[in-house]
Amino acid sequence: KNEVEQSPQNLTAQEGEFITINCSYSVGISALHWLQQHPGGGIVSLFMLSSGKKKHGRLIATINIQEKHSSLHITASHPRDSAVYICAVPNAGGTSYGKLTFGQGTILTVHP
Amino acid sequence: ETGVTQTPRHLVMGMTNKKSLKCEQHLGHNAMYWYKQSAKKPLELMFVYSLEERVENNSVPSRFSPECPNSSHLFLHLHTLQPEDSALYLCASSHIQGEGTDTQYFGPGTRLTVL
Repeated sequence: KNEVEQSPQNLTAQEGEFITINCSYSVGISALHWLQQHPGGGIVSLFMLSSGKKKHGRLIATINIQEKHSSLHITASHPRDSAVYICAVPNAGGTSYGKLTFGQGTILTVHP
Repeated sequence: ETGVTQTPRHLVMGMTNKKSLKCEQHLGHNAMYWYKQSAKKPLELMFVYSLEERVENNSVPSRFSPECPNSSHLFLHLHTLQPEDSALYLCASSHIQGEGTDTQYFGPGTRLTVL
């Protein structure tokens, strides 16, 4: 099974700050997912990336396959970015059928 | 509109009750998933259905019984649950082709409380 570690577990920021959330995993993968979960439970997929960098609005995700590490950056953070950010990678070994292992999540709170 | 809907959104049940959670996806996907999210724990995969066939049962107790009558609908039948089964139950769907791990689209979840 792929082991996934996220850091930090909790992150508090002031509006406008640049934010970085990190994710490390133990087994080589084909793609990594970043998800966002708002209070109330709904989960939205932000990125699926297999190399380099992807950008969507103020969100940037990077991945280094050799180092088994990915980062999620938020530029000009806003209180509406407050959520839990979750990293997920495919299970190691066997037939995947899309099975994912999830990190414990990073709780982000952005104050106005 | 996420394309994946779940009902009910909230459910309170006693340990002797029988209830069912329903999930429906309108995205034309061929795989559906049930996840459990307990407080302060990562998402845990419970079941995977691919082309309406169960391909994963992640050591889930038999008091949870999934059903996938077609590619758009997924149910989770609950009976004689325990208080520790109280959690957020999330459904997701995706398109699976070979070994790929396409983006999974999640429903809003059912918040289950077992008394």
